[in-house]
Amino acid sequence: ILNVEQSPQSLHVQEGDSTNFTCSFPSSNFYALHWYRWETAKSPEALFVMTLNGDEKKKGRISATLNTKEGYSYLYIKGSQPEDSATYLCASPYNQGGKLIFGQGTELSVKP
Amino acid sequence: DAGVIQSPRHEVTEMGQEVTLRCKPISGHNSLFWYRQTMMRGLELLIYFNNNVPIDDSGMPEDRFSAKMPNASFSTLKIQPSEPRDSAVYFCASSLRAREKLFFGSGTQLSVL
Repeated sequence: ILNVEQSPQSLHVQEGDSTNFTCSFPSSNFYALHWYRWETAKSPEALFVMTLNGDEKKKGRISATLNTKEGYSYLYIKGSQPEDSATYLCASPYNQGGKLIFGQGTELSVKP
Repeated sequence: DAGVIQSPRHEVTEMGQEVTLRCKPISGHNSLFWYRQTMMRGLELLIYFNNNVPIDDSGMPEDRFSAKMPNASFSTLKIQPSEPRDSAVYFCASSLRAREKLFFGSGTQLSVL
């Protein structure tokens, strides 16, 4: 069974703070690592899909890195804004067939 | 494209009744997933299909749950009979190919009284 773990469970920061959180996954039989952003009362939306060790992706103030050898990925938000408040999910396919397993998420709250 | 379309948005039913949730994936997407959101387990994968074929249904909680994908543009998740503990938000998602990013529908909020 694939265990995708995220930490911290929740995070409260002030507007303007930079923050980061972690996703860990088994390093064996790695296929891909996904990050999603999930706002309250909406559906999850994909931020990044990474497949190669050392991959770095960036979208505006949000970036992510991937280390497949040690089994972790970091998501960074630079200069957090209240609109960044959401739950950030990571997910990894369990097999080649694409069985995508999600972590429990990190709930980010940015106070103005 | 309209995105992944789920219906109904909300469903309130009584214990013992049959419930059918519907999903239309994005045209051209080959993979379709059914997830359930609960407080305890977060986003829990129930079943997924590749090219209309069920690949893994090990997440389906009981025999009361069944899912079908008769063609590339339609899938159903059925609960019969429904129980109060089935109350949750059920999401359908599709992806172009296996292991690629998912596009989620708006979800169906199910309440079983």
